Order: sequence, then C-alpha cells, then structure tokens
Amino acid sequence: AQSVTQLGSHVSVSEGALVLLRCNYSSSVPPYLFWYVQYPNQGLQLLLKYTTGATLVKGINGFEAEFKKSETSFHLTKPSAHMSDAAEYFCAVSDTGGFKTIFGAGTRLFVKA
Amino acid sequence: EPEVTQTPSHQVTQMGQEVILRCVPISNHLYFYWYRQILGQKVEFLVSFYNNEISEKSEIFDDQFSVERPDGSNFTLKIRSTKLEDSAMYFCASSLDSLNTEAFFGQGTRLTVV
Repeated sequence: AQSVTQLGSHVSVSEGALVLLRCNYSSSVPPYLFWYVQYPNQGLQLLLKYTTGATLVKGINGFEAEFKKSETSFHLTKPSAHMSDAAEYFCAVSDTGGFKTIFGAGTRLFVKA
Repeated sequence: EPEVTQTPSHQVTQMGQEVILRCVPISNHLYFYWYRQILGQKVEFLVSFYNNEISEKSEIFDDQFSVERPDGSNFTLKIRSTKLEDSAMYFCASSLDSLNTEAFFGQGTRLTVV
C-alpha cells in the first residue's frame, strides 16, 4: 500500500530564502505524486504533479519538485520564498489501482520578513 | 476553468441530526471522492464512487455515512446521526479517469457539530 511521509511539520524560512519541503513515499508500483497547498480556511490547490516522463516538475507560483526513484523522494523547492507562500503544504501519492489519493501529514511553511 | 463546487461552505448542526453535504463535480468527470480533514490534522480519504456505486471506502466511512449521485450532476455525502467527532472540513473531489492522474478538489464544507 502507498504511504507518504513529510519530514517536518513546521518549516520556517526568511523571505527570499530557499524553500525546501521534504516528502518521501512508499509505493509498490510507479507512483503518481502531487503537492497541494492549502491557505488558511481554504481548500486544496494543486501546485504540481508527477505522473510519467521528466522527473523535474515545475508548478505554479515558482515551485518545483524532483522525483527521485532511488531515494523514493519528491521534495518541493522554491528558490526564493515570498510572504504569500505561507501556507500548509501536502504531499500526496495516488493509488494507481484506482480510487484514492493518500496525503502526508502536511508541512506548515512560515515565512519571516 | 472548470471547478468542483461545494455547498454550503459552513454548516453547523446539532449532535444527532442528519446532515447532507453537496458537491457538483466537474461535468465530464467520472470518479468522485469525499475526503475529511479534522482541524489541524491530515486529509483523510473517506470514499470513492464510480458508475453509481462505491468503489472503495475507508474504515472511517461507517454505516453513518452514505453517498449518492441523485441527478447526474450532484454528488452528496450524508451523515445520518452526527457526532461531535464528525466536526471537520469535508472535501469533495472528482477525476476524469481511474488512473487518478489528478483529482480536482472543491473548496470544502466546514461541518461543526455542537
């Protein structure tokens, strides 16, 4: 069965600094991987996804993630943090057997001025 | 851009009451889902629905829960007798295919049971 582990429930960076949010997955089949962002009191917005093909995936708002099969990782990065990036970020893996997406516990990103 | 819409955005109900959460999935999607997020916790899968029947459900989805697609556009989640611990944000999602290459999520309904 698939599972997702997000390392660090809270990450704090300074504005302009590199953002790195870590995600490791477990899957017995080639996974589909996602990062979602949730702003306070809002729903889930897809940042980016990996299905097949290029392992470096670019998403919205300057975020990108790299699928590393050998490390079973899908870390999310952004070169320069902005105050508006403060939110909860969820890594997720799709059950390619069909019917559900499995979410990590989430990482709350704080951006300091 | 097509989107999944959920109503209401916030529902307050008394313990023991029935509640129905409504969702309108993206029109050409075939697979529908409900997820739950208790405040401060992770998003949890509840149920998936395809071809007018449940495809998969989690252990959370007990006999108090049911889903329905009553009219070809709406997708509802019913909780028959709400408990305090049902208080959560409920997300509806839909996807085009079973490969689940992307599930589109609604904005959620915050259910508060008092």
